[in-house]
Amino acid sequence: DAKTTQPPSMDCAEGRAANLPCNHSTISGNEYVYWYRQIHSQGPQYIIHGLKNNETNEMASLIITEDRKSSTLILPHATLRDTAVYYCIVSGTGKLIFGQGTTLQVKP
Amino acid sequence: EAGVVQSPRYKIIEKKQPVAFWCNPISGHNTLYWYLQNLGQGPELLIRYENEEAVDDSQLPKDRFSAERLKGVDSTLKIQPAELGDSAVYLCASSLGGETDTQYFGPGTRLTVL
Repeated sequence: DAKTTQPPSMDCAEGRAANLPCNHSTISGNEYVYWYRQIHSQGPQYIIHGLKNNETNEMASLIITEDRKSSTLILPHATLRDTAVYYCIVSGTGKLIFGQGTTLQVKP
Repeated sequence: EAGVVQSPRYKIIEKKQPVAFWCNPISGHNTLYWYLQNLGQGPELLIRYENEEAVDDSQLPKDRFSAERLKGVDSTLKIQPAELGDSAVYLCASSLGGETDTQYFGPGTRLTVL
């Protein structure tokens, strides 16, 4: 499975959009991009996944570049409850290999 | 719908003692995972079950760790004997299975070995 690179931390103002980047330059054609998040003292929570096309659900939007070498997770209106570690994972088998993720701090 | 249930939530033991963790997956989920999460790190897969068969246990330290999933539903992860370095959070997850599998995680068991 391809490796991913994420910034270790980001801040976002409450009510604003949070844009979390992820680089996955070695992604192969059959690998999906997954995003999970982990709020303190809880288990990871699935957010969204995609292959080529942009995806949107009730939690977030996933924008994947045309060459698929990077992606951005967008939380359209961040709240304090979105403060968490966000993991970007690339996998073609469903097996999740977690990196250290991005710690998103949403500030009032 | 009930999520993944794990117990206990917290466990404190002395080194060399045995310990066991229990997981009840989401109803109908055939695939079950155990992960280990050290402080400040992402979860690491220990073992994956498809029904009652362990299909990926390559990361399970088999000298002291064991797992079982009798009848393809509940699962137990055991450590015997525990070492100081086993202090971590043990997470259970389940999924329906398949290539684009969404995993649903339980709250984890935080183990402290003294």
